[in-house]
Amino acid sequence: QSALTQPHSVSGSLGQSVTISCTGTNADLGASNYVSWYQLLPGRAPKLILYAVIQRPSGVPDRFSGSKSGNTASLTISGLQAEDEGRYYCSSIDANSVYVFGTGTEVTV
Amino acid sequence: QVQLQESGPGLVAPSETLSLTCTVYGYSVTSPVWWSWVRQPPGWGLEWLGEVHQSGSTNYNPSLKSRLTMSVDKSTNQLSLRLTSVTAADTALYFCAAVQTGTRYFAPWGQGALVTVSA
Repeated sequence: QSALTQPHSVSGSLGQSVTISCTGTNADLGASNYVSWYQLLPGRAPKLILYAVIQRPSGVPDRFSGSKSGNTASLTISGLQAEDEGRYYCSSIDANSVYVFGTGTEVTV
Repeated sequence: QVQLQESGPGLVAPSETLSLTCTVYGYSVTSPVWWSWVRQPPGWGLEWLGEVHQSGSTNYNPSLKSRLTMSVDKSTNQLSLRLTSVTAADTALYFCAAVQTGTRYFAPWGQGALVTVSA
């Protein structure tokens, strides 16, 4: 299984919107609605941002939204805040029930 | 509030066995959860290692299956990970995480434990 492809980095100013793409194949992301997104910050436990493509866990601001089309999922952060900085990873599951992660995207505000 | 905390030796010699424990607080390991292990080598992305259920059932990443053992200890409310025959490529930050049965997302996670493989 190969990692899902994400851009290395994205940046935006406070209040702007950024979108992170996550591209897989027909054998993993394209065949699953089990797409989730995580924020990783140094020294902290990774945090779930979105699950099932578009669902936000309790406590995650509604400026985070998700979508999926074909083999590509996207995470959009609208109204970028300073606390949104960090490294973001997408995840899905392949046909053999092996979880796969994206290559990670550094978000800079 | 559910919290997970990884612990174990920070340094393992090449060819030896890496052993880590994940203590679960605020939740029973016998709950309907698949307990996963994920790692992140320095400067690299995340890699799913495998998962274990309180029943003893396991699913491992095929790339590491021959070297992995995961288990649940109900008496101590802990998970354990064993990775044999380690090399420098196994140097990583190791996380434990929960996946509720019927879902396919990881929440919550532990903070991670850094393991370095070096002589």
